[in-house]
Amino acid sequence: VQLVESGGGLVQPGRSLRLSCAASGFTFDDYAMHWVRQAPGKGLEWVSGINYNSGNIGYADSVKGRFTISRDNAKNSLYLQMNSLRAEDTALYYCTKDIETDTVNIMGDDAFDVWGQGTMVIVSS
Amino acid sequence: QSVLTQPPSVSGAPGQRVTISCTGSSSNIGAGYDVHWYQQFPGTAPKLLIYGNKNRPLGVPDRFSGSKSGSSASLAITGLQAEDEADYYCQSYDNSLRGSKLFGGGTRLTVL
Repeated sequence: VQLVESGGGLVQPGRSLRLSCAASGFTFDDYAMHWVRQAPGKGLEWVSGINYNSGNIGYADSVKGRFTISRDNAKNSLYLQMNSLRAEDTALYYCTKDIETDTVNIMGDDAFDVWGQGTMVIVSS
Repeated sequence: QSVLTQPPSVSGAPGQRVTISCTGSSSNIGAGYDVHWYQQFPGTAPKLLIYGNKNRPLGVPDRFSGSKSGSSASLAITGLQAEDEADYYCQSYDNSLRGSKLFGGGTRLTVL
């Protein structure tokens, strides 16, 4: 079971970036997926989640209206489109897998049982 | 300031028992939502340590245990080992306003 993130980098404030997460070793379309971030030296923050069939999506207030989560089950991939980036979005972004199968409502208390190694996003001029 | 409150640091000597608390409120832990715990070593991704308040994933030693009561939860580590030195985070869900998945602020465990 593996999650591999990519797409991070240095970007100017106000610009966009798209993160990707490639999943393997499990039946991707059975599970909700999430993005969790960690600013340098800080704690964990849930960013966004999407259920197994993209029918239910949620965002943290800090990114709502700027970030868009999506998935392509045929490609076993999760994405995060990040627009209007701010300095406070600087963080290591982790792709994570929901522990439960067939979660309909991602806004619940499910745990994250698999994590990728993260991809770093730095927003700076 | 995290909605789930953890002590910034705890410490203990090898072989001792330590506990890490995670204090919430009536809109999260107190509302009956499950609490989960993660262990994170510097420079690595978090690892699920306890899920559903008290359940250990395969491979997690039984030295680690979780409990929940009212609006709080605790992670206990017995027989403390040097390799347990890491950051620990609790996680739950909050149903206030639009709702959100929450993490505690994290606790750094130091093995003396």
